[in-house]
Amino acid sequence: DTEVTQTPKHLVMGMTNKKSLKCEQHMGHRAMYWYKQKAKKPPELMFVYSYEKLSINESVPSRFSPECPNSSLLNLHLHALQPEDSALYLCASSQDYRLAQPQHFGDGTRLSIL
Amino acid sequence: QQPVQSPQAVILREGEDAVINCSSSKALYSVHWYRQKHGEAPVFLMILLKGGEQKGHEKISASFNEKKQQSSLYLTASQLSYSGTYFCGTEEDTGFQKLVFGTGTRLLVSP
Repeated sequence: DTEVTQTPKHLVMGMTNKKSLKCEQHMGHRAMYWYKQKAKKPPELMFVYSYEKLSINESVPSRFSPECPNSSLLNLHLHALQPEDSALYLCASSQDYRLAQPQHFGDGTRLSIL
Repeated sequence: QQPVQSPQAVILREGEDAVINCSSSKALYSVHWYRQKHGEAPVFLMILLKGGEQKGHEKISASFNEKKQQSSLYLTASQLSYSGTYFCGTEEDTGFQKLVFGTGTRLLVSP
């Protein structure tokens, strides 16, 4: 069991659908991250939130919209996705945004775009 | 540009040793090591800071040579539970955390 919980575990959606991925942690961490991982590839950073403010957007297309409603919760809103967006989406958290902080990952949401 | 790991894959018998290398083209502040089993979350193993330190975690240890921007992960007396994909994650000294993961090394330990 991981201390970072992601829901849903699997999601299949059409290109015109709107859906959201949810990530929750109760470790008191103040930095949260979204990563995208394609099969047999390393995780790639998408967004970073520090103290509920967006700190990094790695040039992610606007069809992905992150939201951090509070320090425990991180959402990723999806709209008009493309087939190439099919991947494992991982959420992670760390104590804060300083260097050399271990990141704790959730099990991910496996997303398939039809 | 992402760090390059070698080897890409390795197969061991239980009890054998392995070394996984991570090489970056950038000046690094730290190197993280994670292990990811199929269908599971990456799990943090250790962090090494610049200063050339070496750290250990049970039978898994690592070193970081900041002059060469290289880190190595040492797995001794491997166990079946060590199987998975190992990723290094590198940080530059930007003042804030932004991990760039390496290409990955798939490790299979067989009985």
